[in-house]
Amino acid sequence: QKEVEQDPGPLSVPEGAIVSLNCTYSNSAFQYFMWYRQYSRKGPELLMYTYSSGNKEDGRFTAQVDKSSKYISLFIRDSQPSDSATYLCAMSASNTGNQFYFGTGTSLTVIP
Amino acid sequence: DAGVIQSPRHEVTEMGQEVTLRCKPISGHDYLFWYRQTMMRGLELLIYFNNNVPIDDSGMPEDRFSAKMPNASFSTLKIQPSEPRDSAVYFCATRSGGAYGYTFGSGTRLTVV
Repeated sequence: QKEVEQDPGPLSVPEGAIVSLNCTYSNSAFQYFMWYRQYSRKGPELLMYTYSSGNKEDGRFTAQVDKSSKYISLFIRDSQPSDSATYLCAMSASNTGNQFYFGTGTSLTVIP
Repeated sequence: DAGVIQSPRHEVTEMGQEVTLRCKPISGHDYLFWYRQTMMRGLELLIYFNNNVPIDDSGMPEDRFSAKMPNASFSTLKIQPSEPRDSAVYFCATRSGGAYGYTFGSGTRLTVV
């Protein structure tokens, strides 16, 4: 079993829709969580960073962590065509910031 | 700041040849990571350095892979001999000690035929 599971999609939504992206994990020690956005032929870029359980909001993006269910989500409100990318979740048990396990990514297309 | 710079962007080589991938980290970032990305396995950590010293190379798939960081401005990942299953996108990422998250380069797309 992989440490982190992520539905690869692809996910296609109309502009303005609310998007929900999700990851599940098996290691209950994970407590540091990140979401990255990766445009085609580019490296991933950090979107959100959260620690432990709860919600974190940044503009149109909300990251949610449910440690009891080993489940994390990224919500995108009022989705835009520029949000079309692959979204990767990553998580770690270590506070050193060096041992993150990545999901395989979910491909999102926002249709104008 | 030019970000993390990787070269070459694309590399096509024949099986058995030596391949060297290069990375210039962001100045002041004392952690450097090499990742490999494939459709099937996603992003996998190969090795990381702290202050030019290799800390964890447990992700290096086999002895054909080696990585060096001779100074704070340069790192290489070498594959010798290369095999078709090494075909992937290789990313270099860096981080400063007090920050969360990595800054990734644009990657090197390696194809071994």
